[in-house]
Amino acid sequence: KAGVTQTPRYLIKTRGQQVTLSCSPISGHRSVSWYQQTPGQGLQFLFEYFSETQRNKGNFPGRFSGRQFSNSRSEMNVSTLELGDSALYLCASSEGQGEETQYFGPGTRLLVL
Amino acid sequence: GENVEQHPSTLSVQEGDSAVIKCTYSDSASNYFPWYKQELGKRPQLIIDIRSNVGEKKDQRIAVTLNKTAKHFSLHITETQPEDSAVYFCAAEGQAGTALIFGKGTTLSVSS
Repeated sequence: KAGVTQTPRYLIKTRGQQVTLSCSPISGHRSVSWYQQTPGQGLQFLFEYFSETQRNKGNFPGRFSGRQFSNSRSEMNVSTLELGDSALYLCASSEGQGEETQYFGPGTRLLVL
Repeated sequence: GENVEQHPSTLSVQEGDSAVIKCTYSDSASNYFPWYKQELGKRPQLIIDIRSNVGEKKDQRIAVTLNKTAKHFSLHITETQPEDSAVYFCAAEGQAGTALIFGKGTTLSVSS
């Protein structure tokens, strides 16, 4: 099976702009989770989608949002970008039953200037 | 919600030595504890996991122990090799269907 893919891989934006990132899970996986990775902060959980519904949400401001489509592909959106949003955004997919391996995509590196 | 603390943040060992990374979690309902390895510029990959009904699990040079009473779990790497150099993340998941929460990572450096 093909692995988790993310597009775009790199992105440069300026403060105040918005951005949309895309994640295509492994075929058959129904859960997609998003994480923000910055140096020293590890992998911070943003949200998880399962069968087109947000199942879990992390402690991020409302500027961060997401959605999942019927084919399990997911997008996340960040509005009104701030310098501190510069990070590697990783998505991970799993079958969605819990207590199972999450498979990560390569990530999208976002730089906000 | 769940909170995971991971120590140490950096660890340097000589090739052939053992390395131990420890994590504590806050949610007593957590049942699933995976460990991920992230090499420089690559995506995190699962190396071993353990569930709450097991106290220890081993896979070749890697082992994980779990103490549910104390709410902590540890990764043990024996006979370390330079290719073990990476960032290691522990994580905890509560009841099935809840979020997987990660620690902040440990940068392991193995020098030859």
